[in-house]
Amino acid sequence: DAGVTQSPTHLIKTRGQQVTLRCSPKSGHDTVSWYQQALGQGPQFIFQYYEEEERQRGNFPDRFSGHQFPNYSSELNVNALLLGDSALYLCASSGRGGTYEQYFGPGTRLTVT
Amino acid sequence: GIQVEQSPPDLILQEGANSTLRCNFSDSVNNLQWFHQNPWGQLINLFYIPSGTKQNGRLSATTVATERYSLLYISSSQTTDSGVYFCAVNQAGTALIFGKGTTLSVSS
Repeated sequence: DAGVTQSPTHLIKTRGQQVTLRCSPKSGHDTVSWYQQALGQGPQFIFQYYEEEERQRGNFPDRFSGHQFPNYSSELNVNALLLGDSALYLCASSGRGGTYEQYFGPGTRLTVT
Repeated sequence: GIQVEQSPPDLILQEGANSTLRCNFSDSVNNLQWFHQNPWGQLINLFYIPSGTKQNGRLSATTVATERYSLLYISSSQTTDSGVYFCAVNQAGTALIFGKGTTLSVSS
């Protein structure tokens, strides 16, 4: 049973560029959440997708957007990258609309130069 | 929103020692999870424990929901236990809120 997968593993971008990160949830899960983890901090919630709609959003600007596909996989898009967007981006999946235990992928480490 | 506080922030142990990590939260929750983050950043699920006590090998956890705290016990620590331990909580279907973590260093 495959766990949560994310791609790419690492990414280097320049300020002002756009980036797309991808996540495939654990088999049987229908809810995907995205988190940003800066160095030395705990993960911070970006948004959650369920039934292809954004259900909840954290305190992140509109430059952060996402999408969930019919197969429950998800994308995180960040426009107009800033140096401060450099972080580990984590995807988590859960079942039953997010009611139960969440499982995390290995993350994508984004560096903005 | 819910506040999550973890203590201690840092812990240094010799191999074989026991330790207790604490997580306090400010409101009632439906879910509490403990994670271990390895050096590569992967969050490993340790326990899903909204209430009660669970054990998994050398690790055990207890959550007292009515008093809004949870404890993670590590016995006979090993160098591979090193890393950051996070407690995270949420209410039904909402985002996980993480504490700032406890950084554990186990030396041989």
